[in-house]
Amino acid sequence: ELKVEQNPLFLSMQEGKNYTIYCNYSTTSDRLYWYRQDPGKSLESLFVLLSNGAVKQEGRLMASLDTKARLSTLHITAAVHDLSATYFCAVTLGGSEKLVFGKGTKLTVNP
Amino acid sequence: KAGVTQTPRYLIKTRGQQVTLSCSPISGHRSVSWYQQTPGQGLQFLFEYFSETQRNKGNFPGRFSGRQFSNSRSEMNVSTLELGDSALYLCASSLQGDNYGYTFGSGTRLTVV
Repeated sequence: ELKVEQNPLFLSMQEGKNYTIYCNYSTTSDRLYWYRQDPGKSLESLFVLLSNGAVKQEGRLMASLDTKARLSTLHITAAVHDLSATYFCAVTLGGSEKLVFGKGTKLTVNP
Repeated sequence: KAGVTQTPRYLIKTRGQQVTLSCSPISGHRSVSWYQQTPGQGLQFLFEYFSETQRNKGNFPGRFSGRQFSNSRSEMNVSTLELGDSALYLCASSLQGDNYGYTFGSGTRLTVV
């Protein structure tokens, strides 16, 4: 059974600081996704990572994938309040369209 | 282009009733998936449809069912509602083998009282 673990589950940080969210998964996966969710809202797609060594950046967020370690990271650079949200990673398995999600990391950026 | 549309946005139902939720995918997307989100269990996969066929099903009781129509619109039905069915139900659409991610709708928040 494919399992996805994120840590930390809660993260409180100051504006201007850097931090990394980790996403580990238990079996070989062909695609890894990062999503953002604001309170009471739906999921917004951030990144799709398809191959080992993939790195994608959008603004203050950068995601990377190490398929050998079964690890993805979401790095936050110089955090701002607008980044406060819950971040989920999710993986698919063997061509399936089923997404298996981590429990999410609730990020709070304080002034 | 229009996104994924879910209706209704909010529902309040009584235990024992049944409910039908609707999802219209992005035009051209033939795969529709459904997820349940609760504070305790997080995001859990319900089922996925492609070209009117259910391809995958999650670990939910038979009270949860779904279907997809020829225009790719999908419905999910929950019969004999229980308090624990209260959740945000999210629909996602994608092209088959989409490397650009799944697009989620705004969700239907179901409250069972």
